[in-house]
Amino acid sequence: AQSVTQPDIHITVSEGASLELRCNYSYGATPYLFWYVQSPGQGLQLLLKYFSGDTLVQGIKGFEAEFKRSQSSFNLRKPSVHWSDAAEYFCAVGALEYGNKLVFGAGTILRVKS
Amino acid sequence: NAGVTQTPKFRVLKTGQSMTLLCAQDMNHEYMYWYRQDPGMGLRLIHYSVGEGTTAKGEVPDGYNVSRLKKQNFLLGLESAAPSQTSVYFCASTDDEKLFFGSGTQLSVL
Repeated sequence: AQSVTQPDIHITVSEGASLELRCNYSYGATPYLFWYVQSPGQGLQLLLKYFSGDTLVQGIKGFEAEFKRSQSSFNLRKPSVHWSDAAEYFCAVGALEYGNKLVFGAGTILRVKS
Repeated sequence: NAGVTQTPKFRVLKTGQSMTLLCAQDMNHEYMYWYRQDPGMGLRLIHYSVGEGTTAKGEVPDGYNVSRLKKQNFLLGLESAAPSQTSVYFCASTDDEKLFFGSGTQLSVL
């Protein structure tokens, strides 16, 4: 069965500092991997996704993520965080053969201090 | 183009009451999903549908029922609400790998 682990419940970074959010997944084959962001009281917005090919994927808002098969990881990065990036971030894994349904991690809350 | 619309946005129920949450999408998507979101647990899949007339159980289906009589609508029912069902419910739809989410329904069961 698919599973996703986000080891960090909360992360606080200073505005302008770099960011890395960790995500580890468990899945038998090559999964589809996603990062979503949720602002308070809002639904989820897709930041980026990985299906195949280049293991470094670029997303919206200056985010990128790197798929590392050997580590079963899909960490999210941003070189310089803005105060507006404060939100909750979810990593998810999915597969077409499972009805396209996604399994989400528990989320990481990002706080940005000025 | 409204995308995915959930109604109602907020609801308070007493234990034992029933209710139905409606999800409507106007993108002609085949796949639709109901998730619940609880603090520290991310989103957990309740039920999903891969097409009109089909439904399947997700991770946490107990206490919920669903129906997909029309392609554009996916209904989530609570027959006898329990306090453990207090949560934020999200509907999503897709035709490929990118899910489109509704804005959520905040449900409190007292």
